[in-house]
Amino acid sequence: DVKVTQSSRYLVKRTGEKVFLECVQDMDHENMFWYRQDPGLGLRLIYFSYDVKMKEKGDIPEGYSVSREKKERFSLILESASTNQTSMYLCASLIRSSPSDTQYFGPGTRLTVL
Amino acid sequence: AQTVTQSQPEMSVQEAETVTLSCTYDTSESNYYLFWYKQPPSRQMILVIRQEAYKQQNATENRFSVNFQKAAKSFSLKISDSQLGDTAMYFCALFWQGGSEKLVFGKGTKLTVNP
Repeated sequence: DVKVTQSSRYLVKRTGEKVFLECVQDMDHENMFWYRQDPGLGLRLIYFSYDVKMKEKGDIPEGYSVSREKKERFSLILESASTNQTSMYLCASLIRSSPSDTQYFGPGTRLTVL
Repeated sequence: AQTVTQSQPEMSVQEAETVTLSCTYDTSESNYYLFWYKQPPSRQMILVIRQEAYKQQNATENRFSVNFQKAAKSFSLKISDSQLGDTAMYFCALFWQGGSEKLVFGKGTKLTVNP
């Protein structure tokens, strides 16, 4: 079974704090993704990584950065958290399979910034 | 640009009945795949079903099936014999080769199955 885990299910932080959200997959996948999920907006891609130390911006990278020092771990960083970053954050990992590559998701981290 | 549209923000169905969720998409790619994901309340997003664009046959997974109309760029999900556990947000998503393996999601349909 594919296993994608996220460090916290719920997190409460204060405005201006530096926040780390961690995602770990145990299947040696190359591609990993961070999404943000908001009601009425669906899932929007923040950043993704296709290998160690490699990253690319998604559709809404502003206010976020990422780190991929080891293949199994992909971290999302909020340098200075703001209230408009209150959201559900989903990590996903890509499995290369036939007939189609497929993303599998972690359980999500619900972040509240006060 | 690739887009996915789910025009039904919310739907409800009675237990044991059949419901169809709509999804339309737009892409200029020829090699692409379509997915339906399910996200139960406070639970993990899971893959329900996927369809390869090059296949004419509609995908089925137990009570879940799709109606893939390539020319119309339509990809609806049919849930037969609805169960209470089918209550969830459902997301339609598009993936294409050469697109950095990104998924583009619709905004979701909230399905409630009533007893």
